[in-house]
Amino acid sequence: KAGVTQTPRYLIKTRGQQVTLSCSPISGHRSVSWYQQTPGQGLQFLFEYFSETQRNKGNFPGRFSGRQFSNSRSEMNVSTLELGDSALYLCASSNRDRGRDEQFFGPGTRLTVL
Amino acid sequence: AQTVTQSQPEMSVQEAETVTLSCTYDTSESDYYLFWYKQPPSRQMILVIRQEAYKQQNATENRFSVNFQKAAKSFSLKISDSQLGDAAMYFCAYRSSRGQTGANNLFFGTGTRLTVIP
Repeated sequence: KAGVTQTPRYLIKTRGQQVTLSCSPISGHRSVSWYQQTPGQGLQFLFEYFSETQRNKGNFPGRFSGRQFSNSRSEMNVSTLELGDSALYLCASSNRDRGRDEQFFGPGTRLTVL
Repeated sequence: AQTVTQSQPEMSVQEAETVTLSCTYDTSESDYYLFWYKQPPSRQMILVIRQEAYKQQNATENRFSVNFQKAAKSFSLKISDSQLGDAAMYFCAYRSSRGQTGANNLFFGTGTRLTVIP
């Protein structure tokens, strides 16, 4: 079974631009969570989507948004990029509706904001 | 809010020896899950081991085992017979019991970088 995939793997943007990151979960998994990883703040939860609905949200500004499609693929969008948004963005999928709650992570998207 | 603390930013171990990574957490909940994740230089986060708080028995996965002390809110990871492939960043993580809050998100510690010396 294929693992969690994220595209693109690397991205360079400039301040003020917006960016969209994509995550495809493991087949059959309906929950997708997003995390931001930075050297200063560590790993922080952004949001979780389950069956196309946002179930939980971390403490991030409204510039960070996401959505999930009917095939469980998820996208994360960051508008009006700031230098501090430079980070590794990880997504994780889980099969939470079947009692299996381990989160399986993708390789991440490295976003650099110049 | 739940917090997870890893007080050892870096650790090193000789190949074939045993090393223990420390983790403490703070929560007011009685039911929760604890995890250790490994992040090698390739960046892919891998689940190493999990522990349900309601289970008194410590979890074990091959060379990896935990020492779960619920009253002390401590959750350490022991790696036996260390191998070169164990070199990575190790993160301790907490997740609330879904039945209480419905939340599925993980709270992570700051990580411990483990070096394995040949």
